[in-house]
Amino acid sequence: DTGVSQNPRHKITKRGQNVTFRCDPISEHNRLYWYRQTLGQGPEFLTYFQNEAQLEKSRLLSDRFSAERPKGSFSTLEIQRTEQGDSAMYLCASSLRQGAIDEQYFGPGTRLTVT
Amino acid sequence: EDQVTQSPEALRLQEGESSSLNCSYTVSGLRGLFWYRQDPGKGPEFLFTLYSAGEEKEKERLKATLTKKESFLHITAPKPEDSATYLCAVQALYNSGGSNYKLTFGKGTLLTVNP
Repeated sequence: DTGVSQNPRHKITKRGQNVTFRCDPISEHNRLYWYRQTLGQGPEFLTYFQNEAQLEKSRLLSDRFSAERPKGSFSTLEIQRTEQGDSAMYLCASSLRQGAIDEQYFGPGTRLTVT
Repeated sequence: EDQVTQSPEALRLQEGESSSLNCSYTVSGLRGLFWYRQDPGKGPEFLFTLYSAGEEKEKERLKATLTKKESFLHITAPKPEDSATYLCAVQALYNSGGSNYKLTFGKGTLLTVNP
């Protein structure tokens, strides 16, 4: 399978615990995005990387959230001191910009439940 | 700020009953408009990208069109397997204080096709 992969697919944690998610993009893609989706809403942008550089962070990304993309390959998203409001689907997408084209392909997501 | 509004929120069709989904957008210069399909518990699946008014793209029973203010996703003779949430997203040419590559999504249209 050459698509975007995410692990774990599901995570249940207690409030106050730290969690980390991993995303492996399509191999030749140089851009990687994180989005968050809650029930009945469309995905909301969190942050994006071009190669290993984090070029933008949304206001939604509080200081409890941190993302990395070492060596411009896979990426991790860590949430510290989780809160019930962090419960959501966390989606990763990747793209390879060619001229004006920047089509983002999504992974299956990680469903986080904070109890 | 970029905005995307999709209507209707939900649509029920009988198999073979053609219809259209609407996506209205406000953006400071359109880089691209994207349609995705999302099945329950899964990540969005890329369908189409449209770049300029008047452009049309087709895939099986789906046809997407674009004007300067809205896009339509036409579904011809739908089948039960077309049941899903259809998401529309825009990517802006200009984004003061941020990147030009994030996607801004609507809330989606939940399509149910009954046999």
